[in-house]
Amino acid sequence: NAGVTQTPKFRVLKTGQSMTLLCAQDMNHEYMYWYRQDPGMGLRLIHYSVGEGTTAKGEVPDGYNVSRLKKQNFLLGLESAAPSQTSVYFCASSLLLRVEQFFGPGTRLTVL
Amino acid sequence: LAKTTQPISMDSYEGQEVNITCSHNNIATNDYITWYQQFPSQGPRFIIQGYKTKVTNEVASLFIPADRKSSTLSLPRVSLSDTAVYYCLVGDSGSQGNLIFGKGTKLSVKP
Repeated sequence: NAGVTQTPKFRVLKTGQSMTLLCAQDMNHEYMYWYRQDPGMGLRLIHYSVGEGTTAKGEVPDGYNVSRLKKQNFLLGLESAAPSQTSVYFCASSLLLRVEQFFGPGTRLTVL
Repeated sequence: LAKTTQPISMDSYEGQEVNITCSHNNIATNDYITWYQQFPSQGPRFIIQGYKTKVTNEVASLFIPADRKSSTLSLPRVSLSDTAVYYCLVGDSGSQGNLIFGKGTKLSVKP
């Protein structure tokens, strides 16, 4: 039982490049989330999903897209990376919307 | 948008009780208030969750007054391993499903 895993762990991009971050969970959770964490800002919700095939915007969705084609996977895409997207990205999942979230180990992204 | 306020940092000594308060407004009326702990280079980990009054589990207590405009996480008899950043999490009243984390309180426990 791996819980929540994230791929990759580290990535360096140049401005304008695109990439996809993968989140996978093996707990059969309905809800999945993407957060970004910046120094002094805490965690901010980017997008979340309430089930396979559904997504919704969080607090800071601009510049990101997401997809949930399979229940166990939640993908976060950056179509044209910008230096302001340099951050640590965390994925999480939960059984219900308001209850305990299980977090992945994070992806450290640097955009030059 | 819901707004949360936590102290940036707190210091304590081993064996003491630590209380961390989070102020929050515009939170969803039907939503839980949740607290997480985070160690460096790790994702946050759930500590405790409550709706109102007092909740206690094996590691912490959570106090929520009737107006739900604040919540206090209480850690009894802290140890060096409790040194971490603690976050409150609330639901936003204006946007169903949107979750707002506080900016975190860095707790340093000294011997």
